[in-house]
Amino acid sequence: AQSVTQLGSHVSVSEGALVLLRCNYSSSVPPYLFWYVQYPNQGLQLLLKYTTGATLVKGINGFEAEFKKSETSFHLTKPSAHMSDAAEYFCAVSRSSNTGKLIFGQGTTLQVKP
Amino acid sequence: EAGVTQFPSHSVIEKGQTVTLRCDPISGHDNLYWYRRVMGKEIKFLLHFVKESKQDESGMPNNRFLAERTGGTYSTLKVQPAELEDSGVYFCASSQEVQARGTQYFGPGTRLTVL
Repeated sequence: AQSVTQLGSHVSVSEGALVLLRCNYSSSVPPYLFWYVQYPNQGLQLLLKYTTGATLVKGINGFEAEFKKSETSFHLTKPSAHMSDAAEYFCAVSRSSNTGKLIFGQGTTLQVKP
Repeated sequence: EAGVTQFPSHSVIEKGQTVTLRCDPISGHDNLYWYRRVMGKEIKFLLHFVKESKQDESGMPNNRFLAERTGGTYSTLKVQPAELEDSGVYFCASSQEVQARGTQYFGPGTRLTVL
């Protein structure tokens, strides 16, 4: 069975510091990988996704993630945190053999300190 | 273009009562998904519609949950009778693509509290 692990339910960084949110997955076949963000009182919004091709994926708001098959990881990074990045972030996977249901990690709440 | 909308945004009911949640997907999206997040847990898949047909309902917890999508437009999720463990946030998502690589667009969720 597939599973997704996000290391750290809460991450705190200073404004301007590097953001690193970790995601590891287990899958018997190459998965499709997604990062979603949820701002307060809003729905989940897609940040970026990996399906095929280049393993370094760039998303919205300056975020990027790298698919590392050997490490079964898809960590999310941003060079410089902004106050507006404070939100909850979700890593998710799906498989080509299914019809698109997403398997989510537990979520990581990012706090950005001034 | 309007996004995915859900109604109500909050619902507080007593154990044993019935509640119906509604989701309006993005116009033209044939795929509609329901997910649930119980407090402190991860978001979990409930079911997937393609138009009006249930493609995958492997995540439905039990037969107290009934999902419908008449006419292939909006969907409802009924919980009858509600139990305490049904409390959580129910998300709906829609997608234009049926493939697993497709982007799902999420609504803001309905927060259900069962007392």
